[in-house]
Amino acid sequence: GQQLNQSPQSMFIQEGEDVSMNCTSSSIFNTWLWYKQDPGEGPVLLIALYKAGELTSNGRLTAQFGITRKDSFLNISASIPSDVGIYFCAGQQDTNAGKSTFGDGTTLTVKP
Amino acid sequence: DAGVTQSPTHLIKTRGQHVTLRCSPISGHKSVSWYQQVLGQGPQFIFQYYEKEERGRGNFPDRFSARQFPNYSSELNVNALLLGDSALYLCASSRQGSGNTIYFGEGSWLTVV
Repeated sequence: GQQLNQSPQSMFIQEGEDVSMNCTSSSIFNTWLWYKQDPGEGPVLLIALYKAGELTSNGRLTAQFGITRKDSFLNISASIPSDVGIYFCAGQQDTNAGKSTFGDGTTLTVKP
Repeated sequence: DAGVTQSPTHLIKTRGQHVTLRCSPISGHKSVSWYQQVLGQGPQFIFQYYEKEERGRGNFPDRFSARQFPNYSSELNVNALLLGDSALYLCASSRQGSGNTIYFGEGSWLTVV
């Protein structure tokens, strides 16, 4: 089946540093999504990308849809302690968010 | 407005037993999806229902079934539980069967012993 390879698996950074994580796939996706999951909660959508090459920002977060449609990255600038959590990428082959393929997540730890 | 609500939040079952998990979507949302999240992994798609009809099914055995009721709430049923079914079961809802904005509930933690 489809698989998304997300890297790195975990990151330990100092408050104020920038963070970059990415997601690659052997399959083409038409939509890329980035979620954050805090302990004891469900994933929350951060950014949605719809077109190859698209660059979208949400506050300190920026994500890009790769030209090949097989990859995406998420950047977080000037990290703060509340950025701690697990970040997931997800891809959709059609515009149906109900059926998404998720990566295994990047666990982010921010040291004050 | 209430978000997606799931019940129970935690439960423990014995191998071979049956479990029913429940989900109430956000008011006005007609589509419900179920995902299984094993510890340390991302969510895996199980089912999607829209207007009470199954719209999609992931790579899960027939022991897994679901349904959607006229009020758009949903149940996920798992028969003949295995140890490997231990996971967080997430429900997500959206207004329509398509579209990117889905909202997840906090999940039901199932432990099979």
